[in-house]
Amino acid sequence: DTEVTQTPKHLVMGMTNKKSLKCEQHMGHRAMYWYKQKAKKPPELMFVYSYEKLSINESVPSRFSPECPNSSLLNLHLHALQPEDSALYLCASSRSGREGIDEQFFGPGTRLTVL
Amino acid sequence: QKEVEQNSGPLSVPEGAIASLNCTYSDRVSQSFFWYRQYSGKSPELIMSIYSNGDKEDGRFTAQLNKASQYVSLLIRDSQPSDSATYLCAVTGASSGGYQKVTFGTGTKLQVIP
Repeated sequence: DTEVTQTPKHLVMGMTNKKSLKCEQHMGHRAMYWYKQKAKKPPELMFVYSYEKLSINESVPSRFSPECPNSSLLNLHLHALQPEDSALYLCASSRSGREGIDEQFFGPGTRLTVL
Repeated sequence: QKEVEQNSGPLSVPEGAIASLNCTYSDRVSQSFFWYRQYSGKSPELIMSIYSNGDKEDGRFTAQLNKASQYVSLLIRDSQPSDSATYLCAVTGASSGGYQKVTFGTGTKLQVIP
């Protein structure tokens, strides 16, 4: 089973709202990722968790707060977002993230609109 | 700045023809290379991975890697209208904190004409 699930599929929020995006995988992968993708652009890495520890933060603004409760779950907490944060947010997972040969599998994404 | 470059297209091929998608990368220490297919409004789907020089075939897809030329390509044989999508080339870079970051190219849009 190479499935990564994400909820919700769509999210519309105001700039003062607090919301969370959720991601789950049951492939036994130990690395999980958040990407942001704008229209006609490639995915842009935001965060990497490896063995439930934050390994990479690509200088993401603090209004995005990741959380990895366990090896299967990854959350992205959103607060005080800006309209320019509207994008497709993708979660991905890979076996370990350490060996450089890991294949990353993406979830279906959450389409976020900030009003 | 480590880069992965692709022609944005669109690349138009007739149904049944071979589609050839190309990608160059700048980081000589790159070890792993991936091709993703992304339909409009959907998430990327991994279709091929390649790690050593030469060809790797999987069904209608063949990935080709030439590390000396820093070049990776994807051939799609017997192209079908359902292959119409954007194809993203992804390459791993140097290790940072035990993690090798994947860099994506901007993608090539493929159109298969019935």
